[in-house]
Amino acid sequence: GQNIDQPTEMTATEGAIVQINCTYQTSGFNGLFWYQQHAGEAPTFLSYNVLDGLEEKGRFSSFLSRSKGYSYLLLKELQMKDSASYLCAPQDSNYQLIWGAGTKLIIKP
Amino acid sequence: NAGVTQTPKFRILKIGQSMTLQCAQDMNHNYMYWYRQDPGMGLKLIYYSVGAGITDKGEVPNGYNVSRSTTEDFPLRLELAAPSQTSVYFCASSYSLEGETQYFGPGTRLLVL
Repeated sequence: GQNIDQPTEMTATEGAIVQINCTYQTSGFNGLFWYQQHAGEAPTFLSYNVLDGLEEKGRFSSFLSRSKGYSYLLLKELQMKDSASYLCAPQDSNYQLIWGAGTKLIIKP
Repeated sequence: NAGVTQTPKFRILKIGQSMTLQCAQDMNHNYMYWYRQDPGMGLKLIYYSVGAGITDKGEVPNGYNVSRSTTEDFPLRLELAAPSQTSVYFCASSYSLEGETQYFGPGTRLLVL
């Protein structure tokens, strides 16, 4: 079966760094997406990894290890507006996105 | 560009009623998707389309129907609404499949009582 595992909730302090982990099992693999979703809003794209390694984009970075079925999203210099859910979504052999339940990130001042 | 638009934003249905959720995109994307999102759960794919006139079932298609007569529009039809269909529905589109970002509409919150 296909399965995504990420922590349900995390808390971090404004200005700090947080790492959100995601492990996955899918039928085939064609890359992994991270999306951000603020409460009551639609998901918006953050990053895409298809090769092993780190992709950096401003304050956000995403890492992928295909052999381990593992990815993480790293958020630096946390701001209050980063309070949101972060969705891990690998793409299977049919190019369908398999969505995790998301990690709710709470930022405290 | 408006991107992906959805109507209505919120709707209350009685059990057994029917309705159509509208979705349109102005990005000339070939691929369009309908998802539902339940509290504490990941997005579930209901139906998707790879182009006008072509639709296919996703993970949870029962109780829903779709059509794609134009590139822009992808309506989702609920027949005989049931409480289990209470959810937030998102429409999304992408230019292609591999490595392409899906752009989401604002969602329709549906309550079936």
